[in-house]
Amino acid sequence: EAQVTQNPRYLITVTGKKLTVTCSQNMNHEYMSWYRQDPGLGLRQIYYSMNVEVTDKGDVPEGYKVSRKEKRNFPLILESPSPNQTSLYFCASSLVGGVTQYFGPGTRLLVL
Amino acid sequence: TQLLEQSPQFLSIQEGENLTVYCNSSSVFSSLQWYRQEPGEGPVLLVTVVTGGEVKKLKRLTFQFGDARKDSSLHITAAQPGDTGLYLCAGARGTSYGKLTFGQGTILTVHP
Repeated sequence: EAQVTQNPRYLITVTGKKLTVTCSQNMNHEYMSWYRQDPGLGLRQIYYSMNVEVTDKGDVPEGYKVSRKEKRNFPLILESPSPNQTSLYFCASSLVGGVTQYFGPGTRLLVL
Repeated sequence: TQLLEQSPQFLSIQEGENLTVYCNSSSVFSSLQWYRQEPGEGPVLLVTVVTGGEVKKLKRLTFQFGDARKDSSLHITAAQPGDTGLYLCAGARGTSYGKLTFGQGTILTVHP
């Protein structure tokens, strides 16, 4: 089944404790992206990657890091999480030049 | 400041009514997408419009891209309870579709 998977689905952590949210797709898509969703703000793009080893900032990249060492994986790293990073995070993938983005199920993060 | 202004933010209607959701911007987009999101899930693409003035229909849903490619609308005819959900518009800037900007979303509730 073609899908985007994220882990973990739920995470509670404390300020300053490094964490990684994994994202993996099995559709051989070149494009992958991370978003955060907050009430009243819709989805805001954090980082995206057009291909392996190619990443670029979205609209809200501060406090986040990403890497794209393999085509299928695009982890989101929070080196020192803060409470304002409490949010619902979505990973998405699509073919380069295509417009159909497939979203993962989301990761709900709470930073205390 | 939101690059894509979506209105209304909330819509509560009775089954059988018609409705329109608007997505407006002062920026030009190379394409505009509409997504629907259900609680606990990621957004699912409904349609993509790429040409100014383009109209696409998906059963009871009609999507239109403005002539200047700065705005779009989603019209639902004879709404049904199954249409309930969060509707999001998203604009792509440039030809690579890499950088995607979402509107705040419209929460639609259709009462039986």
